[in-house]
Amino acid sequence: DIQMTQSPSSLSASVGDRVTITCRASPDISNYLAWYQQKPGKVPKLLIYAASSLQSGVPPRFSGSGSGTDFTLTISSLQPEDVATYYCQKYNSVPLTFGGGTKVEIK
Amino acid sequence: EVQLVQSGAEVKKPGESLKISCKDSGYSFTSYWIGWVRQMPGKGLESMGIIYPGDSDTRYSPSFQGQVTISADKSISTAYLQWSSLKASDTAMYYCARFTSEGAFDIWGQGTMVTVSS
Repeated sequence: DIQMTQSPSSLSASVGDRVTITCRASPDISNYLAWYQQKPGKVPKLLIYAASSLQSGVPPRFSGSGSGTDFTLTISSLQPEDVATYYCQKYNSVPLTFGGGTKVEIK
Repeated sequence: EVQLVQSGAEVKKPGESLKISCKDSGYSFTSYWIGWVRQMPGKGLESMGIIYPGDSDTRYSPSFQGQVTISADKSISTAYLQWSSLKASDTAMYYCARFTSEGAFDIWGQGTMVTVSS
């Protein structure tokens, strides 16, 4: 099965900081990569699909990049409302594996 | 507005059976896949499997094959996740979500909490 390795598992950053989360797939998944945000006690929300396409309604400070095996989610200027756990997911074939998650906190 | 509405929280004993539901409102239920996702307390997201209600084609993640049954009734736009014999380790939040090859899991249900305890 394809493994999804996400890093870091947690991070703490200041408001306004640029935050980067990485996800590595093995083997190649082309651009079938999605990013989700899950705030505490809430339902997961799709942020990015097809590695770099912004889901409707998602603030443009969120962006995704990558293809093949290495992917990145970037928050260009961290806001207090971005406190959440972020998950990558590959969806080229079943199993639709999620990464382990990255917990983002405000410093 | 597209919406997936899940059945309410359940408290069950080990060995009991259970079937939870996910009802679509607002879009063509038979044109998209529906997936189920498990989240154990304090843990991450796990994809369990997906079903295409149009023809009931079902794909299970290996970890969940034989452990649960995913089904759908297109006449009432509802997908199901069921267990024949629950274990304490099945205690978790379960989400259904619409899956497309273009947009992954783009619409989610509100979640169903299943608690299995003696």
